[in-house]
Amino acid sequence: EVQLVESGGGLVQPGGSLRLSCAASGFTFSSHWMHWVRQAPGKGLVWVSRSNSDGSRTNYADSVKGRFTISRDNAKNTLYLQMNSLRVEDTAVYYCTRTYSKSSEFDYWGQGTLVTVSS
Amino acid sequence: QSVLTQPPSVSGAPGQRVTISCIGSSSNIGAGYDVHWYQQLPGTAPKLLIYDNNNRPSGVPDRFSGSKSGTSASLAITGLQAEDEADYYCQSYDTSLSGRGVFGTGTKVTVL
Repeated sequence: EVQLVESGGGLVQPGGSLRLSCAASGFTFSSHWMHWVRQAPGKGLVWVSRSNSDGSRTNYADSVKGRFTISRDNAKNTLYLQMNSLRVEDTAVYYCTRTYSKSSEFDYWGQGTLVTVSS
Repeated sequence: QSVLTQPPSVSGAPGQRVTISCIGSSSNIGAGYDVHWYQQLPGTAPKLLIYDNNNRPSGVPDRFSGSKSGTSASLAITGLQAEDEADYYCQSYDTSLSGRGVFGTGTKVTVL
């Protein structure tokens, strides 16, 4: 059974940092592109970042470029999102999700982890 | 901002048919990218509902169907049921954003 389990969310002050993790199981993690998608309270889904299967290629939404870094450890079947210089508008539930290729469907999602940026 | 536009809400009585539109442009849906649809029940993570425009993953009832034409796509729900009350999002990719993922604005389906 495919499972994606996010962790690392919490309350952080503006300008602070947080690292999210996504533990994957039930599939060959190193064969899939992995993505982060976020959803602000009461709002819609927004794509944040993606990593190719070996971590050599990454992309970011303009709103987080230069502040967030996606990475992965295929030996540990884990995806990460390092978030620096956090802003109030980064407050959201962050979901980890996978695709088979660079631009295919998000077929499995984690349960999400809530990040709250507030003073 | 979302580059795929959906109606904020649609509603229907049990058993009726409702459709949700997803309006894109020549840089996303019109560029040949497939459209995927997700259902998000209250308080839960999104779930893949339709992939590659008109395909249903295993376990998704055939009451759900998708289509794509030109720069737009649509999701149809026939025989609407109470359990279909949820938020629905279309999704594709966009060449003007270096092929990054884009979601629709989302549609709340209410069963009357």
